Parts: sequence; C-alpha cells; structure tokens
Amino acid sequence: DTAVSQTPKYLVTQMGNDKSIKCEQNLGHDTMYWYKQDSKKFLKIMFSYNNKELIINETVPNRFSPKSPDKAHLNLHINSLELGDSAVYFCASSQLGQGTDTQYFGPGTRLTVL
Amino acid sequence: SQQGEEDPQALSIQEGENATMNCSYKTSINNLQWYRQNSGRGLVHLILIRSNEREKHSGRLRVTLDTSKKSSSLLITASRAADTASYFCASNSGGSNYKLTFGKGTLLTVNP
Repeated sequence: DTAVSQTPKYLVTQMGNDKSIKCEQNLGHDTMYWYKQDSKKFLKIMFSYNNKELIINETVPNRFSPKSPDKAHLNLHINSLELGDSAVYFCASSQLGQGTDTQYFGPGTRLTVL
Repeated sequence: SQQGEEDPQALSIQEGENATMNCSYKTSINNLQWYRQNSGRGLVHLILIRSNEREKHSGRLRVTLDTSKKSSSLLITASRAADTASYFCASNSGGSNYKLTFGKGTLLTVNP
C-alpha cells in the first residue's frame, strides 16, 4: 500500500512545454507539500496546502501553480518549462495539530527539461 | 544563508563502526527532525527531537540537540551497509504552517 504516490516518476520534455505532476496520499492527512531537490540534493519547500487551502507559498516563479482538488491530492502544473526547472520534485503529506509534524514523502518525479 | 547545514558533507566508514553527523541551524526551533534518503528514493523520517529535549534514542539512532549552540547530531551505532544513504536534518520553527527547512545533507557510505 503506497502512502504517498506521485506520477509520473520520470518526465522528459522540451523547453517551453507545459507539464503536470500528480500526487496522492492515502494517509488521511490534511496537509500536503511540494519540494524541489536540485542536482546538489538541496531540498527546498515550494508550496503547502492545508485542507485544500494554500498555507505556504515560497518564492517560486508563477509558472508553477499548485492545485488541490481535495485533501488527498495536490498536483503541480508548470508552464513554459525552463532548463533550470530540471530537478526532482517531491510531494509530502503530514497531519497537523497532532503534536508531531512528521512528513511522509513520495518517491519523487525526476523532471528533465531539454 | 540557509538553515540546517550538515557536517560532514560526506562520510565513509566500515561496517560495524559508528557514524556521527552534525547539523547547525540559524533561528529558534520548535523541533528538529532527521530524514534518510536512499539513492533515487524519497525521504524517510527517522527521528524528531523537540526543543525542550536534549537527547533521544530510537534503535541504533541517537540524536542530541543543543539549542544554545543551535546544533544537533545524529549518531548511528554499529553501522550496516544498508545504512548507506543521504541524511538530512530539517528544522521546524513552529507556527501554523509546519514548514520544514532542510539542510544539504550528509552522504554516508558504509563499506562492507
């Protein structure tokens, strides 16, 4: 049983294209996150949604638009892809307000922009 | 500069030895967490230590926290080849959004 799943696992595309990455969690958590991990393995938060509402929006180009249709899903749409968008994108989820904020991560989506 | 700088960046040891990784952070925290990332995989939570705790154990893991020095250490005892991975600390400053700020990680290689 996969707790946090992402699709696709690999995504290779040309500059200028628009692409989406999907994330689903079956843990019943109310908060989901998107992180970007660069080639040096530095992991940086991009967005966070709590109960479908945006609560964290770091300094991310507005070409990146998250969408949360329900608590179990958080998708990431990227417009006009650039070479610098190449990275591994991780989705994560957690349950706030339970005295612990352990985050559960998906397997990642490796995006390569050519 | 970023929160959560791990030290060393890379560590290579023999199976059975202990591995110690250090982490420093910049602002006050609610808690600090350690995660492991195997190559090509997502991060897995290992252990969380709260700001009012000084030491915590979980199996072969021992974490310490020194809030006066804004630093933490992760000790893995009796290491195994399967412990080979990158280890990240992540600081949580509290508040309502539970944002985690990750360091750059320590790549641990345990040689059989």
